[in-house]
Amino acid sequence: QVQLRASGPGLVKPSQTLSLTCTVSGASVSSASYFWSWIRQPAGKGLEWIGRVYTSGNTNYNPSFKGRVTMSVDTSKDQFSLKLTSVTATDTAVYYCARATMLTTVRGYEVGWFDPWGQGTLVTVSS
Amino acid sequence: EIVLTQSPGTLALSPGERATLSCRASQTVTSRYLAWYQQKSGQAPRLLIYGASSRAAGIPDRFSGSGSGTDFTLTISRLEPEDFAVYYCQQYGSSPRTFGQGTKVEI
Repeated sequence: QVQLRASGPGLVKPSQTLSLTCTVSGASVSSASYFWSWIRQPAGKGLEWIGRVYTSGNTNYNPSFKGRVTMSVDTSKDQFSLKLTSVTATDTAVYYCARATMLTTVRGYEVGWFDPWGQGTLVTVSS
Repeated sequence: EIVLTQSPGTLALSPGERATLSCRASQTVTSRYLAWYQQKSGQAPRLLIYGASSRAAGIPDRFSGSGSGTDFTLTISRLEPEDFAVYYCQQYGSSPRTFGQGTKVEI
């Protein structure tokens, strides 16, 4: 079955860059049928979609991250990554990676629902 | 951005009872592009429903989804002990993708 596992530093200092990697097993990030996404959840709060990357390296980000986010994919390792720059305490959250269904719409190919999700990794921003 | 408002915030029920969860969108959700997820404490969300009413693989038929436009409902026909969790709706008809704030179903 498809499994995703997020990994990376659990503590990042303010103003620095948060870097996470998601390792996929049971599927390939080279699949033409899916996007690969990052979603976060501050403690006790709801879920926020950060963005997605496609096997080609094509990306689409939530505008609320105002140019701070970069996603990439490494097909040789079946991994995809997240970088979030200039972090503050408000970026403290559990970060999830997930596979996103690809929808074909009048606007082109777009992110649908998320399934499955990785187990999540807590990132704390603190000095 | 489409804002999803879930109600109630908390639903206190007993095993065997019926649960009805609401998700209201600030704008019409295109083509019933709405999903529901279940999240248990300390775990990642799990997909239950997509396309407003299609059950994901392996999801018991006591879970059902309905609705269109701006009003959507998740119904759990008879609560099992393992169903006590937080439930989120998510729309994928408009960018950016957004989630509701969640409904907690508790005993």
